[in-house]
Amino acid sequence: QKEVEQDPGPLSVPEGAIVSLNCTYSNSAFQYFMWYRQYSRKGPELLMYTYSSGNKEDGRFTAQVDKSSKYISLFIRDSQPSDSATYLCAMPAGGTSYGKLTFGQGTILTVHP
Amino acid sequence: GAVVSQHPSWVICKSGTSVKIECRSLDFQATTMFWYRQFPKQSLMLMATSNEGSKATYEQGVEKDKFLINHASLTLSTLTVTSAHPEDSSFYICSARSGRAGNEQFFGPGTRLTVL
Repeated sequence: QKEVEQDPGPLSVPEGAIVSLNCTYSNSAFQYFMWYRQYSRKGPELLMYTYSSGNKEDGRFTAQVDKSSKYISLFIRDSQPSDSATYLCAMPAGGTSYGKLTFGQGTILTVHP
Repeated sequence: GAVVSQHPSWVICKSGTSVKIECRSLDFQATTMFWYRQFPKQSLMLMATSNEGSKATYEQGVEKDKFLINHASLTLSTLTVTSAHPEDSSFYICSARSGRAGNEQFFGPGTRLTVL
């Protein structure tokens, strides 16, 4: 079993839709949970991160963590074509915010006009 | 955010040759750099972690003699793929982190290696 599982999709939605992206993990030591966005043939960029359980909102993006279920989500409201990218969840080792990262497989998202 | 560059962005080489990829932190000092490999439609897989001035730590299954990593300065790390073969064709991405606790990794734009 992989430490971090993510549905690769692909996911295709119309502009304006609410997008839900999810990951599950098996290592209960993870404390920080990150979401990266990666455009085609580019390096990942950090979108959001949360610590422990709860919600965090940043503009159109909301990250949720449910540690009891080992389940994390990223919601995108009012999705735009510019949101089309691969979204990767990642968790740093050792319960820190800066340990080596374990990535999910990534979900390919396409938002069509 | 901090900027990390990679050079070259794309390289094509013949089987059996060696290729060097550079990773630079442009506006901060990176005490730790990471090298990842990403195959098409797959996730990033950590290859090795390098700390400035010391030997790299390789992940299980990564051949240290094939993937030579040098982190000689606080702003530069290099990955050399020795005797490259077609199965080494991949997208290689580096990231860099400063020594301050809690700092995130900043990723480079990646280098696409094609071995013919």
